[in-house]
Amino acid sequence: DQQVKQNSPSLSVQEGRISILNCDYTNSMFDYFLWYKKYPAEGPTFLISISSIKDKNEDGRFTVFLNKSAKHLSLHIVPSQPGDSAVYFCAATGANSKLTFGKGITLSVRP
Amino acid sequence: EPEVTQTPSHQVTQMGQEVILRCVPISNHLYFYWYRQILGQKVEFLVSFYNNEISEKSEIFDDQFSVERPDGSNFTLKIRSTKLEDSAMYFCASSDLYNSPLHFGNGTRLTVT
Repeated sequence: DQQVKQNSPSLSVQEGRISILNCDYTNSMFDYFLWYKKYPAEGPTFLISISSIKDKNEDGRFTVFLNKSAKHLSLHIVPSQPGDSAVYFCAATGANSKLTFGKGITLSVRP
Repeated sequence: EPEVTQTPSHQVTQMGQEVILRCVPISNHLYFYWYRQILGQKVEFLVSFYNNEISEKSEIFDDQFSVERPDGSNFTLKIRSTKLEDSAMYFCASSDLYNSPLHFGNGTRLTVT
């Protein structure tokens, strides 16, 4: 039961360019969406979030866009840096605060 | 910056044995969680805990699993009789407010042989 889907397993971009990571969800009860970043041998680290009442949230180089009608969100990283290379998880939650994660996407930023 | 700490980082156990995974959440946090990630799969919710009781649990969290907050700082996950398929990374997480971002520990890699 994949309520949160990250359909691309990996993405490779050149340093300085934009990285766009996509995420789709199926559960219309989700009202809060988060992106987590994970390095090997570490736990997921919170990156940025967005509430369903917004369609955009920006924090420095990171911007998350939410399209509720399409049940789609995306994370934009610009400019991408080699240190951004990690696994990125999309996650969503509703009334129960339980996070449902996507499978993750491995981002590689080439110097 | 305060962080969630988990011990041990790696636990190897034989099938049928009991294991206890330990976590120290961030001190002023009130909501506690266990998640796991089987190799190559996504991070899965196991259980949430608030006010000294389980607030929600997943289908994975069957009678073999239990959680406890034995004192004011520790939060433990016990697996009574481990199975091979319990091998995974187990992540503890905590948050200060309901529906606020979770802070994760670095995980315990459990290997059941």
